[in-house]
Amino acid sequence: EVQLVESGGGLVQSGGSLRLSCAASGFTFSSYSMSWVRQAPGKGLEWVSYISSSSTTIYYADSVKGRFTISRDNAKTSLYLQMNSLRAEDTAVYYCARDYYDSRRWFDPWGQGTLVTVSS
Amino acid sequence: EIVLTQSPGTLSLSPGERATLSCRASQSVTSSYLAWYQQKSGQAPRLLIYDASRRATAIPDRFSGSGSGTDFTLTISRLEPEDFAVYYCQQYGSSPRTFGQGTKVEIK
Repeated sequence: EVQLVESGGGLVQSGGSLRLSCAASGFTFSSYSMSWVRQAPGKGLEWVSYISSSSTTIYYADSVKGRFTISRDNAKTSLYLQMNSLRAEDTAVYYCARDYYDSRRWFDPWGQGTLVTVSS
Repeated sequence: EIVLTQSPGTLSLSPGERATLSCRASQSVTSSYLAWYQQKSGQAPRLLIYDASRRATAIPDRFSGSGSGTDFTLTISRLEPEDFAVYYCQQYGSSPRTFGQGTKVEIK
């Protein structure tokens, strides 16, 4: 069974940092690109960042560019999101999601999410 | 950036009824690269449809997608109790990938 399990969320002050992790299992992690998608409380979905299977291609949403860094460790089948200079508007549930093989298409499946709360 | 506008915001229907959800793009979506997701309260989104009309694995055939260009539709032929949820469309024809704001299907 394909599983994605996020961790690392929590309460942080504005300007602070947090590192999210996503542990993957049940599939050949090194063959798939991965993404982070967030959802502010009561709001819709927003794509945050993408990393290709070999980490050679990385993209960020404009809203997080220069503050967030995506990375992965294929040996540990894990995905990461380093979040710096956090703002109140970064408060959201952060989901890791598998892309369709090594392409930027749909997201399937998604992890259960981890909540990040930034207090001002 | 392609903006996706979903309508209606809320759809109030009874079990057994047909649900028709709309997703309109601000510009043409390349190759009908559009997906639909279902999100139940407190849960992660689940992929229903990709490439505008292809059902994802294990998705019941009461869910169907159609459309091209700028207008897309998700149809649930007969609503089951477990179908009451929020539905999002997402385009992957151009970067960045974007989502609609969602349509809530609630029990009437």
